[in-house]
Amino acid sequence: DAGVIQSPRHEVTEMGQEVTLRCKPISGHNSLFWYRQTMMRGLELLIYFNNNVPIDDSGMPEDRFSAKMPNASFSTLKIQPSEPRDSAVYFCASIPGFAGNTIYFGEGSWLTVV
Amino acid sequence: DQQVKQNSPSLSVQEGRISILNCDYTNSMFDYFLWYKKYPAEGPTFLISISSIKDKNEDGRFTVFLNKSAKHLSLHIVPSQPGDSAVYFCAAPYGQNFVFGPGTRLSVLP
Repeated sequence: DAGVIQSPRHEVTEMGQEVTLRCKPISGHNSLFWYRQTMMRGLELLIYFNNNVPIDDSGMPEDRFSAKMPNASFSTLKIQPSEPRDSAVYFCASIPGFAGNTIYFGEGSWLTVV
Repeated sequence: DQQVKQNSPSLSVQEGRISILNCDYTNSMFDYFLWYKKYPAEGPTFLISISSIKDKNEDGRFTVFLNKSAKHLSLHIVPSQPGDSAVYFCAAPYGQNFVFGPGTRLSVLP
């Protein structure tokens, strides 16, 4: 069974450009999470969806960040315009059902904004 | 305000010795805890968990201890191996979410 799939694995972009990160959760999982990992803060939750509906986006840093989940098998995290301080690893994760006890992560998208 | 804290950003241990990674939490509503392990360039993977009705859970070389009165849990790795070198995150489900600690980087020296 395929795990959580993220793309791109690595992205280098110039400041001001739009960045789109993509995620395919594990089939059958109902909740999807976007996390950001930085040295200073560890794993920060940005937003999560349950049954494709955004439940809590209070972790989204600012209006430059947006996330969508148009269907159960796909989600995007968009940064527009990107800034150097957005450089981090972005993880997508999913869980089976509602408030499951184990969360499954993708391999991450490494973003560098220069 | 961090609800899950890992106060040691890094830990170095000699191969064969015991590694002890600590985690403290502030929310007494947490009733389940997980440890995740993360290698460079990979996503975190589930390692071991413990329910608040237990004070110990063991899986091979990995044992997690929970002290509810102190709101403290620890992960013991015995014996430590170089392949255990990774970042370890403590986490707790909370409502529909998961709260993660900042992680501890373990280095097991050969």
